[in-house]
Amino acid sequence: SAVISQKPSRDICQRGTSLTIQCQVDSQVTMMFWYRQQPGQSLTLIATANQGSEATYESGFVIDKFPISRPNLTFSTLTVSNMSPEDSSIYLCSVSPGQGYLTNEKLFFGSGTQLSVL
Amino acid sequence: AQKITQTQPGMFVQEKEAVTLDCTYDTSDPSYGLFWYKQPSSGEMIFLIYQGSYDQQNATEGRYSLNFQKARKSANLVISASQLGDSAMYFCAMRALPNDYKLSFGAGTTVTVRA
Repeated sequence: SAVISQKPSRDICQRGTSLTIQCQVDSQVTMMFWYRQQPGQSLTLIATANQGSEATYESGFVIDKFPISRPNLTFSTLTVSNMSPEDSSIYLCSVSPGQGYLTNEKLFFGSGTQLSVL
Repeated sequence: AQKITQTQPGMFVQEKEAVTLDCTYDTSDPSYGLFWYKQPSSGEMIFLIYQGSYDQQNATEGRYSLNFQKARKSANLVISASQLGDSAMYFCAMRALPNDYKLSFGAGTTVTVRA
């Protein structure tokens, strides 16, 4: 499995500010994803971080609110912009390591970022 | 579209006993993967076990085993010899194979292990 480091692990932010979350993987991975988990809820996919092109966003999520960068095959950032208390959630990056049909089926998660917006 | 159902919001288990967490799914995809993740109070999502729909045998990973019944569309997780550190939220998830990487998650089951 891949080793996925996520920073920060938690933060408390003021309304109206922005926070950038980093996801670093110890090996090159083709697919990287960002999920949100609101309090007491399950996980929801925000977007797929594509290397060298714009991220692909799921319904209900937009680039202006959640800009994503993927400068190379081991790193991605998610920014939560103009935050409100409704953005308080756990944000997790996820990767699919390996190449090919059989080796890239599994999906692993980083340690998560617990965000509280006051 | 995929749907995952976990009907047990919370469970208690005695230390050293086994516990079964239920998961049923619905999909029209001919090939898919099923996952179980553990989420302790720290918030990280820990991969536990994976079962491909094409696998003839049930997956096992140490104390974790997946009881896969394809005809019934169920993928129950069995944790044997429960430990206090197993207390956490457990999520069942699935994705379509080969090219859809989006995971659909169930609502989760909270497991509390009693000493």
